[in-house]
Amino acid sequence: GENVEQHPSTLSVQEGDSAVIKCTYSDSASNYFPWYKQELGKRPQLIIDIRSNVGEKKDQRIAVTLNKTAKHFSLHITETQPEDSAVYFCAANWSGGSYIPTFGRGTSLIVHP
Amino acid sequence: DTGVSQDPRHKITKRGQNVTFRCDPISEHNRLYWYRQTLGQGPEFLTYFQNEAQLEKSRLLSDRFSAERPKGSFSTLEIQRTEQGDSAMYLCASSSGGRGSKETQYFGPGTRLLVL
Repeated sequence: GENVEQHPSTLSVQEGDSAVIKCTYSDSASNYFPWYKQELGKRPQLIIDIRSNVGEKKDQRIAVTLNKTAKHFSLHITETQPEDSAVYFCAANWSGGSYIPTFGRGTSLIVHP
Repeated sequence: DTGVSQDPRHKITKRGQNVTFRCDPISEHNRLYWYRQTLGQGPEFLTYFQNEAQLEKSRLLSDRFSAERPKGSFSTLEIQRTEQGDSAMYLCASSSGGRGSKETQYFGPGTRLLVL
Protein backbone atom coordinates (compact mmCIF):
# COMPACT_ATOMS: atom_id res chain seq x y z
CA GLY A 1 0.00 0.00 0.00
CA GLU A 2 0.88 3.67 -0.14
CA ASN A 3 3.19 5.17 2.48
CA VAL A 4 3.42 8.94 2.98
CA GLU A 5 6.23 10.56 4.98
CA GLN A 6 5.89 14.20 6.03
CA HIS A 7 8.58 16.54 7.37
CA PRO A 8 9.13 18.44 9.53
CA SER A 9 6.77 17.48 12.33
CA THR A 10 7.03 21.01 13.77
CA LEU A 11 7.92 24.24 12.01
CA SER A 12 8.32 27.57 13.75
CA VAL A 13 8.69 30.77 11.71
CA GLN A 14 8.45 34.51 12.17
CA GLU A 15 5.55 36.38 10.64
CA GLY A 16 6.39 37.31 7.07
CA ASP A 17 8.80 34.43 6.54
CA SER A 18 8.17 31.54 4.16
CA ALA A 19 7.34 28.01 5.29
CA VAL A 20 7.97 24.79 3.38
CA ILE A 21 6.56 21.38 4.25
CA LYS A 22 7.71 18.30 2.36
CA CYS A 23 6.09 14.93 1.72
CA THR A 24 7.27 11.79 -0.01
CA TYR A 25 5.12 8.92 -1.25
CA SER A 26 5.90 5.37 -2.23
CA ASP A 27 3.31 4.31 -4.83
CA SER A 28 4.10 5.65 -8.28
CA ALA A 29 0.44 5.07 -9.22
CA SER A 30 -0.65 7.88 -6.89
CA ASN A 31 -1.81 10.82 -8.95
CA TYR A 32 -3.75 13.16 -6.69
CA PHE A 33 -2.16 15.06 -3.81
CA PRO A 34 -4.31 17.25 -1.55
CA TRP A 35 -3.13 19.37 1.36
CA TYR A 36 -5.34 19.97 4.39
CA LYS A 37 -5.13 22.56 7.16
CA GLN A 38 -6.49 21.62 10.57
CA GLU A 39 -6.84 24.26 13.26
CA LEU A 40 -7.04 23.15 16.86
CA GLY A 41 -10.32 21.40 17.56
CA LYS A 42 -11.59 21.88 14.00
CA ARG A 43 -12.06 19.71 10.95
CA PRO A 44 -9.36 19.29 8.26
CA GLN A 45 -10.01 21.70 5.40
CA LEU A 46 -8.61 21.42 1.90
CA ILE A 47 -6.32 24.34 1.07
CA ILE A 48 -4.79 23.24 -2.22
CA ASP A 49 -4.37 20.10 -4.32
CA ILE A 50 -2.37 18.98 -7.32
CA ARG A 51 -2.66 16.21 -9.88
CA SER A 52 0.26 14.32 -11.30
CA ASN A 53 0.00 15.91 -14.74
CA VAL A 54 0.92 19.30 -13.22
CA GLY A 55 4.26 20.27 -11.69
CA GLU A 56 3.19 23.34 -9.73
CA LYS A 57 0.03 25.05 -8.62
CA LYS A 58 -0.43 28.40 -6.87
CA ASP A 59 -3.25 30.03 -4.98
CA GLN A 60 -2.33 33.44 -3.59
CA ARG A 61 0.26 32.84 -0.82
CA ILE A 62 0.10 29.06 -1.11
CA ALA A 63 1.81 26.88 -3.71
CA VAL A 64 2.37 23.17 -4.14
CA THR A 65 5.11 21.57 -6.22
CA LEU A 66 5.28 17.96 -7.37
CA ASN A 67 8.27 15.92 -8.51
CA LYS A 68 6.92 12.64 -9.88
CA THR A 69 10.34 11.19 -10.58
CA ALA A 70 11.49 11.65 -6.99
CA LYS A 71 7.98 10.98 -5.64
CA HIS A 72 7.85 14.02 -3.46
CA PHE A 73 5.66 17.09 -3.20
CA SER A 74 5.90 20.23 -1.12
CA LEU A 75 3.68 22.95 0.29
CA HIS A 76 5.02 26.50 0.20
CA ILE A 77 3.46 29.32 2.21
CA THR A 78 4.85 32.80 1.62
CA GLU A 79 4.44 35.90 3.80
CA THR A 80 3.20 33.79 6.69
CA GLN A 81 0.66 35.27 9.08
CA PRO A 82 -0.27 34.21 12.63
CA GLU A 83 -3.57 32.82 11.31
CA ASP A 84 -1.57 30.33 9.23
CA SER A 85 -0.70 28.58 12.51
CA ALA A 86 -2.26 25.10 12.34
CA VAL A 87 -1.45 21.48 11.58
CA TYR A 88 -0.99 20.76 7.88
CA PHE A 89 -1.50 17.29 6.40
CA CYS A 90 -0.44 16.05 3.02
CA ALA A 91 -2.08 13.07 1.35
CA ALA A 92 -1.54 10.86 -1.67
CA ASN A 93 -4.33 9.19 -3.54
CA TRP A 94 -4.66 6.91 -6.51
CA SER A 95 -7.68 8.03 -8.46
CA GLY A 96 -7.60 4.92 -10.60
CA GLY A 97 -8.39 2.79 -7.60
CA SER A 98 -10.53 3.13 -4.54
CA TYR A 99 -9.95 6.86 -3.99
CA ILE A 100 -8.67 6.26 -0.48
CA PRO A 101 -6.00 8.81 0.45
CA THR A 102 -3.06 8.02 2.69
CA PHE A 103 -2.26 10.93 4.98
CA GLY A 104 1.06 12.09 6.34
CA ARG A 105 1.45 12.50 10.10
CA GLY A 106 1.11 16.26 9.94
CA THR A 107 3.25 19.36 10.46
CA SER A 108 2.48 21.76 13.25
CA LEU A 109 3.20 25.25 11.87
CA ILE A 110 3.66 28.04 14.39
CA VAL A 111 3.88 31.59 13.09
CA HIS A 112 5.20 34.02 15.67
CA PRO A 113 3.97 37.63 15.41
CA ASP B 1 -18.93 25.45 6.36
CA THR B 2 -18.28 22.35 4.22
CA GLY B 3 -21.73 20.86 4.78
CA VAL B 4 -20.74 17.50 6.33
CA SER B 5 -22.26 17.12 9.78
CA GLN B 6 -21.59 14.59 12.52
CA ASP B 7 -23.44 13.73 15.68
CA PRO B 8 -22.64 13.68 18.52
CA ARG B 9 -19.64 15.98 18.67
CA HIS B 10 -18.43 14.44 21.92
CA LYS B 11 -19.06 11.10 23.56
CA ILE B 12 -17.84 9.80 26.89
CA THR B 13 -18.54 6.16 27.62
CA LYS B 14 -17.41 3.40 29.91
CA ARG B 15 -15.35 0.51 28.68
CA GLY B 16 -17.52 -2.29 27.39
CA GLN B 17 -20.40 -0.07 26.29
CA ASN B 18 -21.57 0.28 22.69
CA VAL B 19 -21.57 3.63 20.92
CA THR B 20 -23.01 4.79 17.60
CA PHE B 21 -22.02 7.85 15.60
CA ARG B 22 -23.86 9.44 12.71
CA CYS B 23 -22.57 11.26 9.64
CA ASP B 24 -24.61 13.29 7.17
CA PRO B 25 -22.59 13.95 4.01
CA ILE B 26 -23.02 16.76 1.51
CA SER B 27 -26.27 15.83 -0.18
CA GLU B 28 -25.04 15.25 -3.73
CA HIS B 29 -21.95 13.28 -2.68
CA ASN B 30 -22.04 9.56 -3.38
CA ARG B 31 -18.83 8.62 -1.53
CA LEU B 32 -18.59 8.61 2.24
CA TYR B 33 -15.52 7.82 4.31
CA TRP B 34 -14.82 7.15 7.97
CA TYR B 35 -11.45 7.94 9.53
CA ARG B 36 -9.94 7.77 12.98
CA GLN B 37 -7.52 10.43 14.17
CA THR B 38 -5.43 10.35 17.32
CA LEU B 39 -3.34 13.17 18.71
CA GLY B 40 -0.31 13.96 16.57
CA GLN B 41 -1.40 11.72 13.72
CA GLY B 42 -3.06 12.19 10.39
CA PRO B 43 -6.47 10.68 9.70
CA GLU B 44 -6.38 6.88 9.37
CA PHE B 45 -8.80 5.32 6.91
CA LEU B 46 -11.40 2.96 8.38
CA THR B 47 -13.98 2.31 5.68
CA TYR B 48 -15.77 3.86 2.74
CA PHE B 49 -19.08 3.66 0.90
CA GLN B 50 -20.08 4.39 -2.62
CA ASN B 51 -23.79 5.05 -2.34
CA GLU B 52 -25.06 2.28 -0.04
CA ALA B 53 -22.31 -0.22 -0.86
CA GLN B 54 -19.43 -0.59 1.59
CA LEU B 55 -16.55 -1.05 -0.81
CA GLU B 56 -13.49 -1.23 1.38
CA LYS B 57 -12.55 -1.72 5.01
CA SER B 58 -9.19 -1.14 6.62
CA ARG B 59 -7.44 -3.90 8.50
CA LEU B 60 -7.59 -1.42 11.41
CA LEU B 61 -11.32 -2.06 11.57
CA SER B 62 -11.82 -4.88 14.06
CA ASP B 63 -14.96 -7.00 14.27
CA ARG B 64 -16.23 -4.67 16.98
CA PHE B 65 -16.65 -1.92 14.40
CA SER B 66 -19.50 -1.86 11.93
CA ALA B 67 -20.68 0.82 9.54
CA GLU B 68 -23.81 1.21 7.49
CA ARG B 69 -25.19 3.55 4.89
CA PRO B 70 -28.61 2.03 4.31
CA LYS B 71 -30.07 4.51 1.83
CA GLY B 72 -26.91 5.91 0.39
CA SER B 73 -27.30 9.13 2.36
CA PHE B 74 -26.34 9.28 6.06
CA SER B 75 -24.04 6.71 7.62
CA THR B 76 -23.60 5.25 11.07
CA LEU B 77 -20.48 3.86 12.70
CA GLU B 78 -21.00 1.56 15.67
CA ILE B 79 -18.34 0.40 18.07
CA GLN B 80 -19.30 -2.53 20.26
CA ARG B 81 -17.68 -3.37 23.59
CA THR B 82 -15.58 -0.22 23.56
CA GLU B 83 -11.99 -0.33 24.77
CA GLN B 84 -9.80 2.51 26.04
CA GLY B 85 -7.75 2.25 22.86
CA ASP B 86 -10.83 3.29 20.89
CA SER B 87 -10.54 6.81 22.32
CA ALA B 88 -9.94 9.08 19.34
CA MET B 89 -11.57 11.57 17.01
CA TYR B 90 -13.78 9.85 14.43
CA LEU B 91 -13.98 11.86 11.25
CA CYS B 92 -16.41 11.48 8.38
CA ALA B 93 -15.74 12.83 4.91
CA SER B 94 -17.64 12.84 1.65
CA SER B 95 -16.81 13.36 -2.00
CA SER B 96 -18.73 13.38 -5.23
CA GLY B 97 -16.34 10.89 -6.79
CA GLY B 98 -14.77 10.89 -10.22
CA ARG B 99 -11.72 12.70 -11.48
CA GLY B 100 -10.30 16.13 -10.86
CA SER B 101 -11.86 18.26 -8.16
CA LYS B 102 -14.58 15.69 -7.64
CA GLU B 103 -12.02 13.58 -5.77
CA THR B 104 -11.77 16.22 -3.05
CA GLN B 105 -12.96 14.99 0.31
CA TYR B 106 -14.80 17.35 2.62
CA PHE B 107 -14.57 16.54 6.30
CA GLY B 108 -17.11 16.80 9.05
CA PRO B 109 -16.30 18.29 12.48
CA GLY B 110 -15.69 14.85 13.96
CA THR B 111 -16.93 12.97 17.00
CA ARG B 112 -14.48 12.89 19.87
CA LEU B 113 -14.79 9.63 21.79
CA LEU B 114 -13.39 9.10 25.27
CA VAL B 115 -13.59 5.61 26.72
CA LEU B 116 -13.09 5.51 30.49
